[in-house]
Amino acid sequence: QVQLKESGPGLVQPSQTLSLTCTVSGLSLTSNSVSWIRQPPGKGLEWMGVIWSNGGTDYNSAIKSRLSISRDTSKSQVFLKMNSLQTEDTAMYFCARNSWEGDYFDYWGQGVMVTVSS
Amino acid sequence: DIQMTQSPASLSASLGETVTIECRASEDIYNGLAWYQQKPGKSPQLLIYNANSLHTGVPSRFSGSGSGTQYSLKINSLQSEDVASYFCQQYYNSLTFGSGTKLEIK
Repeated sequence: QVQLKESGPGLVQPSQTLSLTCTVSGLSLTSNSVSWIRQPPGKGLEWMGVIWSNGGTDYNSAIKSRLSISRDTSKSQVFLKMNSLQTEDTAMYFCARNSWEGDYFDYWGQGVMVTVSS
Repeated sequence: DIQMTQSPASLSASLGETVTIECRASEDIYNGLAWYQQKPGKSPQLLIYNANSLHTGVPSRFSGSGSGTQYSLKINSLQSEDVASYFCQQYYNSLTFGSGTKLEIK
């Protein structure tokens, strides 16, 4: 069955770069698109960006200058890198599959909590 | 960017009641709308897509409706397991979420 699992450091220092990995199983990244979505504690969801099945990317305009999403199809992994982290980037970070029928999300990872603090 | 205004922010209802949550888009999103349920400490789960299509395995007491800029999620016969936060998401133009509705049992 389809599974996604996020991994990465739980604590990042301010101004540093965040690196997260989403490892997928049960699906091929060459025929599926994967998004990153984050949720600050007690708050709502923010779509960050997507890597399409063809390898192209799109980003939320609010964070586009700080964000990069890439993948390794042979390892079934999607990567997120975001630089210049601030305390307001403290959040749960999720990866999710974009449905084939539209850009909504039918499979989600469990999420990884990232705290930005010195 | 399309803004999604979701209401109410919180809601308390009794078991067996019917509740409605609404989302208003800043422009026409042509039914490009999904609804998610998020239980505490869990990832969101898809309930409804294309404004009114029920995702596989979702109980039929959940339904979605609307068009243009106005959409709603209705939960019939509220059950204790429906305690959760609910979010709308538009995908007509880029992707944006509503601010969420926290549903509690009275």
